[in-house]
Amino acid sequence: NAGVTQTPKFRILKIGQSMTLQCAQDMNHNYMYWYRQDPGMGLKLIYYSVGAGITDKGEVPNGYNVSRSTTEDFPLRLELAAPSQTSVYFCAIRGGGDSPLHFGNGTRLTVT
Amino acid sequence: AQSVTQLGSHVSVSEGALVLLRCNYSSSVPPYLFWYVQYPNQGLQLLLKYTSAATLVKGINGFEAEFKKSETSFHLTKPSAHMSDAAEYFCAVSRNTPLVFGKGTRLSVIA
Repeated sequence: NAGVTQTPKFRILKIGQSMTLQCAQDMNHNYMYWYRQDPGMGLKLIYYSVGAGITDKGEVPNGYNVSRSTTEDFPLRLELAAPSQTSVYFCAIRGGGDSPLHFGNGTRLTVT
Repeated sequence: AQSVTQLGSHVSVSEGALVLLRCNYSSSVPPYLFWYVQYPNQGLQLLLKYTSAATLVKGINGFEAEFKKSETSFHLTKPSAHMSDAAEYFCAVSRNTPLVFGKGTRLSVIA
C-alpha cells in the first residue's frame, strides 16, 4: 500500500516546454489536491478534485491544468513552463469529514 | 475565508528545552486544525489534529497542541526537544474546504 505516488521525483525544463506531473493513489479517496511549496511561503493550493470528473481551481491555478478521469489518478499539466513555476509540487489525498491530508513525496521542478 | 498565521519563521532551542511553536487561525466556522512536520526532501507528515473533541490534542513523537477558541490559537508544544525534532512545521486550518497552510516554522535544535 504505497498511498500516494508522485512521478518524476526531479525534472529540469526549459522555458516554454510542457510536462505532466503524475499522481496516483491506492487508497480510494475521493479528494485529491495539488500544492506547490516555495521557500518561506508554505504550501499554496493549485487545483483540487472532490471525485472523478470534478476539478476546481485553488489559490494559484494560472499556468496549470488538471484532469480527473479516474479515482486513482490526478495529473497536473504545465503547458508553457516559466521560471516562476520552479517549485516543489506535492500531491495529497484525503478521505471525507475531518480526515487529514496524506502527502506524496513531491516533485522538484526547475525551469531555466 | 480561513487563514493561518505562524509566528516566527525560525525557532532555535537547546536539546532538552521546551519547544513552543505558535499558530493563530482565522475562521468563520468552527475549524479543524492540523500540525504537520516536514523533514528535508520529504513530504509532510501529520503530527496531530483537532476536530472539536478534546481541546488538548496529543500527537506523535511527544508533541501536543491546545485549542484555545478565545485566543484563536493552536500552539504546538513538546516538553523536551530532541535533535531528531529539527524540521519544518506547518499549521493548517480547514472545515469542509481544502486545507490552508501557514508559512511554516523551521525548528533548529542545538546540542
